[in-house]
Amino acid sequence: EAGVVQSPRYKIIEKKQPVAFWCNPISGHNTLYWYRQNLGQGPELLIRYENEEAVDDSQLPKDRFSAERLKGVDSTLKIQPAELGDSAVYLCASSSRQENTGELFFGEGSRLTVL
Amino acid sequence: AQRVTQPEKLLSVFKGAPVELKCNYSYSGSPELFWYVQYSRQRLQLLLRHISRESIKGFTADLNKGETSFHLKKPFAQEEDSAMYYCALWDIGNEKLTFGTGTRLTIIP
Repeated sequence: EAGVVQSPRYKIIEKKQPVAFWCNPISGHNTLYWYRQNLGQGPELLIRYENEEAVDDSQLPKDRFSAERLKGVDSTLKIQPAELGDSAVYLCASSSRQENTGELFFGEGSRLTVL
Repeated sequence: AQRVTQPEKLLSVFKGAPVELKCNYSYSGSPELFWYVQYSRQRLQLLLRHISRESIKGFTADLNKGETSFHLKKPFAQEEDSAMYYCALWDIGNEKLTFGTGTRLTIIP
């Protein structure tokens, strides 16, 4: 079974440029999460989707961050414009809502460096 | 608000010695706690959860509600245990997983 797929794995941009990350969750997983992991820290939730609905986006900085999951499968996280402090690893995770066990399946992450 | 604390950023242990990674939490409800692990060049993955009460790769963790702790233990460390370990708390109502800051465990041969 294919795991959560993320791209790109690495991205280097200059500040004020836009950037987008893509995530394909495990087939059949209704719930999709985007986490941000700063250096030396644990992952922090940005947004959670149930199918195509964003049910928790309270931690998403909405002035520059946006996300979508139009058909309830793939998701895109965008930053525009990027700032130096956005340098981090962006993790996508998915889970099966039916099980609701707290077990999340993570992708390999997208490492963003803002210069 | 829920919080997970891992007081040790780094922990080095000799091979064959016992390992204990500390985790404390604060949560108003009945907690569900997990340990996740990230081996070098691999993705973050579940190691064990307290409700299953099982041993995975020789690791165990007991939930102590009185001390609000969920320490991870292994009696004899192996070199392949070297990794980043994250304690996490699952908020059932909000379906939110909150992570600690992680402990990097290094096993010295």
